Amino acid sequence: AQSVTQLDSQVPVFEEAPVELRCNYSSSVSVYLFWYVQYPNQGLQLLLKYLSGSTLVKGINGFEAEFNKSQTSFHLRKPSVHISDTAEYFCAVSDRGTGANNLFFGTGTRLTVIP
Amino acid sequence: TAGITQAPTSQILAAGRSMTLRCTQDMRHNAMYWYRQDLGLGLRLIHYSNTAGTTGKGEVPDGYSVSRANTDDFPLTLASAVPSQTSVYFCASSEQGGPSSGNTIYFGEGSWLTVV
Repeated sequence: AQSVTQLDSQVPVFEEAPVELRCNYSSSVSVYLFWYVQYPNQGLQLLLKYLSGSTLVKGINGFEAEFNKSQTSFHLRKPSVHISDTAEYFCAVSDRGTGANNLFFGTGTRLTVIP
Repeated sequence: TAGITQAPTSQILAAGRSMTLRCTQDMRHNAMYWYRQDLGLGLRLIHYSNTAGTTGKGEVPDGYSVSRANTDDFPLTLASAVPSQTSVYFCASSEQGGPSSGNTIYFGEGSWLTVV
């Protein structure tokens, strides 16, 4: 069975500082990995996803994530955050090619950007 | 573009009453999903449908039912609501094969349900 652990429930960071949101997963098969963002009172929208190829994935709004198979991690990074990045961020994993039609989510990390 | 439309946006419901949350998508996606979001638990899958006419159970299906009469609509019904069903409900959709084929899941804006 898959599981996703987001190690930090809350991350405060000053504006224009770098940030890393950590995500580890476990699965007995190969996986696809996703990061979603949820702004207040809105649904989730995709930031980026790792399917194959380069382990460094670039997404929207200047975010990027690196897939590390040996450490089963998919940490999200941004070199300089803005106030508008304040939101909840969810890491998610899906088994690759099994037909299991589910995306397993972590419990989320609330990023608060401080002016 | 509308994408996924959910209704109602919010509702207060007396325990024991029934309710249907409506969901319509205009992307012609084959797969649709219902998730609930609870503080500290993230999102959990309630039911899904791979294509019109088929449905399946997710992680937390008890107390909920769904139907998929056509491609666009995927209503979620609570037959007899209980306070533990107080949550934010998200309808979502994806292309055929879903996330296990690497497809993105697209979410609606959510329906806030309070059962008292």
